[in-house]
Amino acid sequence: EIVLTQSPDTLSLSPGEGATLSCRASQSVSSNYLAWYQQKPGQAPRLLIYGASSRATGIPDRFSGSGSGTDFTLTISRVDPEDFAVYYCQQHGNSRWTFGQGTKVEIK
Amino acid sequence: EVQLVESGGGLVQPGRSLRLSCTTSGFTFEDYPMSWVRQAPGKGLEWVAYIRMKIYGGTTEHAASVEGRFSISRDDSKGIAYLQMNSLKTEDTAVYYCTRALRASGDTFDIWGQGTMVTVSS
Repeated sequence: EIVLTQSPDTLSLSPGEGATLSCRASQSVSSNYLAWYQQKPGQAPRLLIYGASSRATGIPDRFSGSGSGTDFTLTISRVDPEDFAVYYCQQHGNSRWTFGQGTKVEIK
Repeated sequence: EVQLVESGGGLVQPGRSLRLSCTTSGFTFEDYPMSWVRQAPGKGLEWVAYIRMKIYGGTTEHAASVEGRFSISRDDSKGIAYLQMNSLKTEDTAVYYCTRALRASGDTFDIWGQGTMVTVSS
């Protein structure tokens, strides 16, 4: 099973600052199968990025994804107050899906 | 509007069974794989089960942690996905989310229900 490790666990930012979230895989992941989700308290997760770099429908362009192989990144160019949440990366391979442990983006 | 609505959660004793339902609307259900993802209180996300479209055999996949105890199924005529959970353990306590998988995006989960809470306790 591929293990995804996200860093940092918590990111403290002020609105308007940029954010860089990392996701490292224990084995190479096909870029087609790497996604990022956002989850706010009491809500279901929401798909942000699929295929490592494609934004899902309705996702603002301040969110971008990049990476390949074992290292992937979610970048928020300028954090908006509504972006404070937990972010999860997820991979799919060999008919198994795994999630990272999450990175919490909190208000500084 | 595309919607997924889970039901069937509740309090159940260890060793007992529960069946969750995911009622869908707003899209052609038979054209999509479906999946269940759970989240224990205060914890992260864990994939549970996946079912392919009937044209791909309707075959299923289950996480190792639930293999042999849980079973995902679908009724395309009703637009409903199910999760049959047997031999429940306290560690199965979680919010269970129904999700739609999008093959065009690498089987990512593009639509999520609001979740249903399952509590396994004596």
